[in-house]
Amino acid sequence: AQKVTQAQTEISVVEKEDVTLDCVYETRDTTYYLFWYKQPPSGELVFLIRRNSFDEQNEISGRYSWNFQKSTSSFNFTITASQVVDSAVYFCALSEEYAGGTSYGKLTFGQGTILTVHP
Amino acid sequence: GAVVSQHPSRVICKSGTSVKIECRSLDFQATTMFWYRQFPKKSLMLMATSNEGSKATYEQGVEKDKFLINHASLTLSTLTVTSAHPEDSSFYICSARIPPMGSSNQPQHFGDGTRLSIL
Repeated sequence: AQKVTQAQTEISVVEKEDVTLDCVYETRDTTYYLFWYKQPPSGELVFLIRRNSFDEQNEISGRYSWNFQKSTSSFNFTITASQVVDSAVYFCALSEEYAGGTSYGKLTFGQGTILTVHP
Repeated sequence: GAVVSQHPSRVICKSGTSVKIECRSLDFQATTMFWYRQFPKKSLMLMATSNEGSKATYEQGVEKDKFLINHASLTLSTLTVTSAHPEDSSFYICSARIPPMGSSNQPQHFGDGTRLSIL
């Protein structure tokens, strides 16, 4: 069975600080996808990134960057120069199923990290 | 891009009422949709996988008779909370699976969620 752990329940930073959100996962599958979602107070889930298990390249998108380390089963997310608008709950998630499988898209979520950025 | 519409966004009703939540894929056909439940300050837990034209697959511990799922067309899945009680109060969110052969970077899209409050 798959499992996603986000050990940091809450993080509080001051604007312009860098912050890293940790994510550790467990899976027996060799093919899987990892995701990060942002959930603002309004409740909707905002997709941030999807990473294939075969692609260990780190990715940068503006102030966001992701570090995928298969050896430690981690997929950490860093926000550089944080802003108040970054305040939200962030979820890491795992999808074990191969894209061609019948249960493609079924997600296991971590517990979430509440990020508060103070002005 | 692909959009999933979820309705209603908020429901407040008396105990014993049955509540229906709709999840529609607006510009693609979704053979599979997923229903998640989220308690305050908690993670999203998969309740069931809704398959068009067949019975839903429920996760362990989810009462099939309490949470009725119908996926009568390729663009609509409904979740009915029958005889709702205060303990059913929660945030319910659906997602629709993009067909595996699609070019979207994300395998599924989420609705904006329904906040259900049972008095």
